[in-house]
Amino acid sequence: LAKTTQPISMDSYEGQEVNITCSHNNIATNDYITWYQQFPSQGPRFIIQGYKTKVTNEVASLFIPADRKSSTLSLPRVSLSDTAVYYCLVRSGTYKYIFGTGTRLKVLA
Amino acid sequence: DAGVTQSPTHLIKTRGQHVTLRCSPISGHKSVSWYQQVLGQGPQFIFQYYEKEERGRGNFPDRFSARQFPNYSSELNVNALLLGDSALYLCASSLRTAIYGYTFGSGTRLTVV
Repeated sequence: LAKTTQPISMDSYEGQEVNITCSHNNIATNDYITWYQQFPSQGPRFIIQGYKTKVTNEVASLFIPADRKSSTLSLPRVSLSDTAVYYCLVRSGTYKYIFGTGTRLKVLA
Repeated sequence: DAGVTQSPTHLIKTRGQHVTLRCSPISGHKSVSWYQQVLGQGPQFIFQYYEKEERGRGNFPDRFSARQFPNYSSELNVNALLLGDSALYLCASSLRTAIYGYTFGSGTRLTVV
């Protein structure tokens, strides 16, 4: 079964790029890796999803190395409103999807 | 288009009672998953349903059960409530399985006293 690990917390200043890494072993070769953002008392919100190499959308980039044992979410030029908890999500077992431990990002002015 | 809707938004129950939480997925989504999120922790997988059949189950006791209806809405039932069941219960819908990414509802905050 897959296990995931993320840094507990990170601080950044507005305008900086933030990179959050999730370590995940034992994920299947054909599985996507998905990242979510969560604000207090709300459900997680989809940010980005990738399978390999690099994926970019309007809010983030996702880097996945060839061995797929980790993935890195990159948030360019963060703002105060990006203060949230960020989770990776991977599949563990046939129909079981688990969240990473979560990284609490605090953006400072 | 309506997103994932969950009801009720908040609920207070007494230990030993039973609770039913409800979820309506996004139109066209056939899969519903349930997660429990204890304060300060990440969401923990409880169940996944697809086409009205249970497809996955997390490490939760048999007090937790769920079902999916023909219209793809879902109920999560918890019997014999314990204080430790106090949490935010999240419902997520997806086209098929989470490989396509979940859309989450805002959750039901359950407090057991």
